[in-house]
Amino acid sequence: DIQMTQSPSSLSASVGDRVTITCRASQSISSYLNWYQQKPGKAPKLLIYAASSLQSGVPSRFSGSGSGTDFTLTISSLQPEDFATYYCQQSYSTPVTFGQGTRLEIK
Amino acid sequence: EVQLVESGGGLVQPGGSLRLSCAASGFTFSSYWMHWVRQAPGKGLVWVSRINSDGSSTSYADSVKGRFTISRDNAKNTLYLQMNSLRAEDTAVYYCARDGPVEDLDYWGQGTLVTVSS
Repeated sequence: DIQMTQSPSSLSASVGDRVTITCRASQSISSYLNWYQQKPGKAPKLLIYAASSLQSGVPSRFSGSGSGTDFTLTISSLQPEDFATYYCQQSYSTPVTFGQGTRLEIK
Repeated sequence: EVQLVESGGGLVQPGGSLRLSCAASGFTFSSYWMHWVRQAPGKGLVWVSRINSDGSSTSYADSVKGRFTISRDNAKNTLYLQMNSLRAEDTAVYYCARDGPVEDLDYWGQGTLVTVSS
């Protein structure tokens, strides 16, 4: 199975900050990398698919980059509604696997 | 509007069985692969199973293989997860999700809680 490792596991930031979350795959996954946002008690929401494509309706302050084994999710200017947990997910091979999550908290 | 609504969760004893359902609407259900993903309390997301659009092909996580069965009824726009020989470690919120263009999970249901305890 492909292991996905996110860093950091948690992060404190302020409204307006630029934030970057990293996801590393245990082997090359080309661009088969997706990012999700989850708020407490809610289902995950797709933000970015295929490493850098913005899902419809997602604000443009979210962006993704990377290929192969190293990927990043960037939030250009944090808004209050962005404080949540973020997960990466590889869809290169079965079983689909997720990173352990990055909790983004208010500083 | 795409909607996925799970049901069937609840409290079950170890060794017991439960069948989850996911009712789909707002899209052509029979054209999409579908997934189940679970999340234990306070933990991360774990993929459980996947089924192709006509139900002829399925995949499972090793942790549930031989105990869980995914199926679908395209006439009823409903996805199922039959869970047998349940263990305490199967306790989780179970989400159904639609498969997107690159096996991203583009729509999710609200989840249904399964608790395995005596």
